[in-house]
Amino acid sequence: GAVVSQHPSWVICKSGTSVKIECRSLDFQATTMFWYRQFPKQSLMLMATSNEGSKATYEQGVEKDKFLINHASLTLSTLTVTSAHPEDSSFYICSARDREQASIYEQFFGPGTRLTVL
Amino acid sequence: AQSVTQLGSHVSVSEGALVLLRCNYSSSVPPYLFWYVQYPNQGLQLLLKYTSAATLVKGINGFEAEFKKSETSFHLTKPSAHMSDAAEYFCALMNYGGSQGNLIFGKGTKLSVKP
Repeated sequence: GAVVSQHPSWVICKSGTSVKIECRSLDFQATTMFWYRQFPKQSLMLMATSNEGSKATYEQGVEKDKFLINHASLTLSTLTVTSAHPEDSSFYICSARDREQASIYEQFFGPGTRLTVL
Repeated sequence: AQSVTQLGSHVSVSEGALVLLRCNYSSSVPPYLFWYVQYPNQGLQLLLKYTSAATLVKGINGFEAEFKKSETSFHLTKPSAHMSDAAEYFCALMNYGGSQGNLIFGKGTKLSVKP
């Protein structure tokens, strides 16, 4: 089956530092990857859509200079939280669409990354 | 605008009892609907999906959901709850107007199963 991995699974950092989160599709090519954010006991909110070889599309209210997204290959997208602050602490989840199954509109989710900013 | 509403943030059932998790949607176009399960500190696992084929959709782990256009509902059911079903469940709708088919999620329903 289609597998998406995220690294790291959890990270603790100091306020002001930057953190990079990787999202990889392990057994398929993903032209589109989505980044979601989930606050405790809340639903997932789309942050941005990442397309291989082009700039990411950010949802309204999401600072593109703070949440840098790079989709350099068909299997890897990265989210960098720059100058992280405690309010950025959250669970970040990526998902990927299989290039070969675009018509099914199914997304495969990564296991998530728990970010805690002290 | 499209939206998803899950009725009940927390549902508690006894082991062996019927599970019913409610989901209503709003969409001006024929919807694609999904149910996902999330265990603590984990990502989402697809339970089942409706993509305009059969209205009764069977998924993994004994779950099924019925699409009812007249009621704009897509409720999730399981005849007999198991302890391992305790988790957070999300109903989601394909966003036609958004970024290449992202999902719009309901707020989630936490299912507790009592022994």
